[in-house]
Amino acid sequence: AQKVTQAQTEISVVEKEDVTLDCVYETRDTTYYLFWYKQPPSGELVFLIRRNSFDEQNEISGRYSWNFQKSTSSFNFTITASQVVDSAVYFCALSETFIIQGAQKLVFGQGTRLTINP
Amino acid sequence: EAQVTQNPRYLITVTGKKLTVTCSQNMNHEYMSWYRQDPGLGLRQIYYSMNVEVTDKGDVPEGYKVSRKEKRNFPLILESPSPNQTSLYFCASSPLPWQRNSYEQYFGPGTRLTVT
Repeated sequence: AQKVTQAQTEISVVEKEDVTLDCVYETRDTTYYLFWYKQPPSGELVFLIRRNSFDEQNEISGRYSWNFQKSTSSFNFTITASQVVDSAVYFCALSETFIIQGAQKLVFGQGTRLTINP
Repeated sequence: EAQVTQNPRYLITVTGKKLTVTCSQNMNHEYMSWYRQDPGLGLRQIYYSMNVEVTDKGDVPEGYKVSRKEKRNFPLILESPSPNQTSLYFCASSPLPWQRNSYEQYFGPGTRLTVT
């Protein structure tokens, strides 16, 4: 069965430090998608990135970067020069597509609460 | 504006009093689902629907019902709420993947439910 593990329950750093959030996943499928979502204190889920299993290129978006490594089944997220506004809960998620059923389900990790202190 | 809406956003109720949380999307998506979020567990899928009148159980369906009579709406029904259903609930929608090659799900703002 598919599973996503975010071993870091809480992380606290001082502003401007770099921080990496770990995500390890398990799946038997060869075709899958990985996601990161941000949940700020207001509670909504904010989509950050989607990667498919065939694209292992790392991605950078401003201060955010993602390192996808199939060999270790990891999809880690790094925030460079962190800011107080980055404080949130971050979720990693895996989507498999059950072609026969036509269903797609997101399997979420437990989340990592990131606190950026001024 | 493309969006998923949920109502109510906050609800405090008592054990056994039936309630419905509504979910509506304006993107003509076929696929809709409900998740609950609990501390230390992340989000878990409750029910999903691939189209009108097509629904199926997710990972934690006990105590919940859903219906899909219209494409845009997917209400979550708690016939007899219990305290262990106190949680943050999210509705999500997306097109079916083979139709638009999209695996992104659009989430509603969440409904915080407390059952006393």
